[in-house]
Amino acid sequence: DTAVSQTPKYLVTQMGNDKSIKCEQNLGHDTMYWYKQDSKKFLKIMFSYNNKELIINETVPNRFSPKSPDKAHLNLHINSLELGDSAVYFCASSQTPTGDSYNQPQHFGDGTRLSIL
Amino acid sequence: AQKITQTQPGMFVQEKEAVTLDCTYDTSDPSYGLFWYKQPSSGEMIFLIYQGSYDQQNATEGRYSLNFQKARKSANLVISASQLGDSAMYFCAIIRAGTASKLTFGTGTRLQVTL
Repeated sequence: DTAVSQTPKYLVTQMGNDKSIKCEQNLGHDTMYWYKQDSKKFLKIMFSYNNKELIINETVPNRFSPKSPDKAHLNLHINSLELGDSAVYFCASSQTPTGDSYNQPQHFGDGTRLSIL
Repeated sequence: AQKITQTQPGMFVQEKEAVTLDCTYDTSDPSYGLFWYKQPSSGEMIFLIYQGSYDQQNATEGRYSLNFQKARKSANLVISASQLGDSAMYFCAIIRAGTASKLTFGTGTRLQVTL
């Protein structure tokens, strides 16, 4: 029944390692997102994919590489993890707004808490 | 530049009372959407309510309503009859035209409901 599910929920790893976070949505949405929430709870978009095509790439280090094998999945791979990568990463999905109406809310997964030792 | 401003880092309200959480935004686009999300201590992000810039009436969803004042660029969330379960972080966010559905969030307000 889970609408947007991401795994793992917790990720504890050492600096320099490479890790991946997976996200899947069963809402039939055509757009998926990755957001980062820092220690002060500030949420900022990182990437967005629409029908497997990258449409938003906010100034994120190229150590972060999203991949969308199909419109229901959006994974995030992070190379050479750094201390500053410690955060909660949220996956979200929505239907693309049409016209002047933006009333398609983004549905969020439960987040992945990444801790770098 | 910050596009969404939430000036109240923390708020307290007594159970059963109403509370207003402030949100102002900055855009020159005529077309945009405003959202409120709740984040309880368990961490998930829960969509609460939406207001479109062209909507003639203020949005309402159960105990949540939006006090939308377009000329003042404010979209305050009103929670009526507060419950202990309303204790959480509340985020205001905006989608603006031409931003490919990018949600820009405010810094959030932590609401604590007391007995």
